[in-house]
Amino acid sequence: AQSVTQLDSQVPVFEEAPVELRCNYSSSVSVYLFWYVQYPNQGLQLLLKYLSGSTLVKGINGFEAEFNKSQTSFHLRKPSVHISDTAEYFCAVIHNDYKLSFGAGTTVTVRA
Amino acid sequence: ETGVTQTPRHLVMGMTNKKSLKCEQHLGHNAMYWYKQSAKKPLELMFVYSLEERVENNSVPSRFSPECPNSSHLFLHLHTLQPEDSALYLCASSQERTSIYEQYFGPGTRLTVT
Repeated sequence: AQSVTQLDSQVPVFEEAPVELRCNYSSSVSVYLFWYVQYPNQGLQLLLKYLSGSTLVKGINGFEAEFNKSQTSFHLRKPSVHISDTAEYFCAVIHNDYKLSFGAGTTVTVRA
Repeated sequence: ETGVTQTPRHLVMGMTNKKSLKCEQHLGHNAMYWYKQSAKKPLELMFVYSLEERVENNSVPSRFSPECPNSSHLFLHLHTLQPEDSALYLCASSQERTSIYEQYFGPGTRLTVT
């Protein structure tokens, strides 16, 4: 079974500072990778996904992620965060079944 | 209404009650999902319906009973729940249940079992 590890459970960051959220997955074959965001009292919303092609993926709200096959990582980055980026972020993977396997989540708190 | 809606948004029930959670998607999708989100744990896939047929049941206790009367509606019937069933229950839908199709999530129902 697929597993996803999000290395940081909490990430505090100041407004306009960069942020990186780390995600590693377990797989030796092809995977599809996703980052979802969950704002307070809302469901999950897709930020970006990697299916194939360029390893640098750009998503909504200025986020991007880089797929690194050799390190089995898919870290999420934003060069300058806003207060509105305060949310929980989930990394997820689909292998050759159709099921999304999620990490435990990283809570990002942006402070002024 | 657009996207995926869930009702109620909050539910408090005793262990002997029977209640139902409702999900409706307005996206024309043909696959629907129930997830359980507990604090500090990964989302757990509970059930998957594709073309109104249940195709996945991840060893969920029988006190949870899903129902999919058509491709737009999904229910989760609850009875004799336990306090550890308290969680956020999320519904999602996708165009197909195969791998690359994005799942769209509803806002969830916050369930508290007393």
